[in-house]
Amino acid sequence: DSGVTQTPKHLITATGQRVTLRCSPRSGDLSVYWYQQSLDQGLQFLIQYYNGEERAKGNILERFSAQQFPDLHSELNLSSLELGDSALYFCASSPRTGPSPGELFFGEGSRLTVL
Amino acid sequence: GIQVEQSPPDLILQEGANSTLRCNFSDSVNNLQWFHQNPWGQLINLFYIPSGTKQNGRLSATTVATERYSLLYISSSQTTDSGVYFCAVGGYSSASKIIFGSGTRLSIRP
Repeated sequence: DSGVTQTPKHLITATGQRVTLRCSPRSGDLSVYWYQQSLDQGLQFLIQYYNGEERAKGNILERFSAQQFPDLHSELNLSSLELGDSALYFCASSPRTGPSPGELFFGEGSRLTVL
Repeated sequence: GIQVEQSPPDLILQEGANSTLRCNFSDSVNNLQWFHQNPWGQLINLFYIPSGTKQNGRLSATTVATERYSLLYISSSQTTDSGVYFCAVGGYSSASKIIFGSGTRLSIRP
């Protein structure tokens, strides 16, 4: 158990819909990262937050948004869903931010299927 | 941004064999990790190793930061070692982005 909690574990929805994925970081970690892993692909960096503020952005679509709340949990919102958004979405946390954020620990992921 | 290349992309071995997986990166790094993604999709931390050498049982890793590469060694492979091995790096110039390589898919046959 990494200490990072993601919900839901599985989600099936239809094209055009909106979903919210939730992540609770490890106790004491201030940074949260979101990654997308499409079928048999690598992990694509989406976005990173530190103590409530956005710190780095990857190739995140405009239909996607995220935030980190004062209690440090984070949510990834995916809207106007398309078939290609079907993927495993991972959240990770680390103690710090910047070029040396420390060791990242990953949750078990949320598997999104868009039909 | 920083580029990460892993080799080989695929590796098929018999149980008991040894293997070396490589991760090359295009810029100086201050953060480097190796992960194992098991067949159930879980990402397991193997090593946090921005420089130097570490060992954990049958696994060991070495990062030569000045030459921009890291190696993961697996000895006496077991079927449970099967899965995808990822290297992830963070560079001084990449701020908070931690970028993953495309992985090495390892299959251990009994």
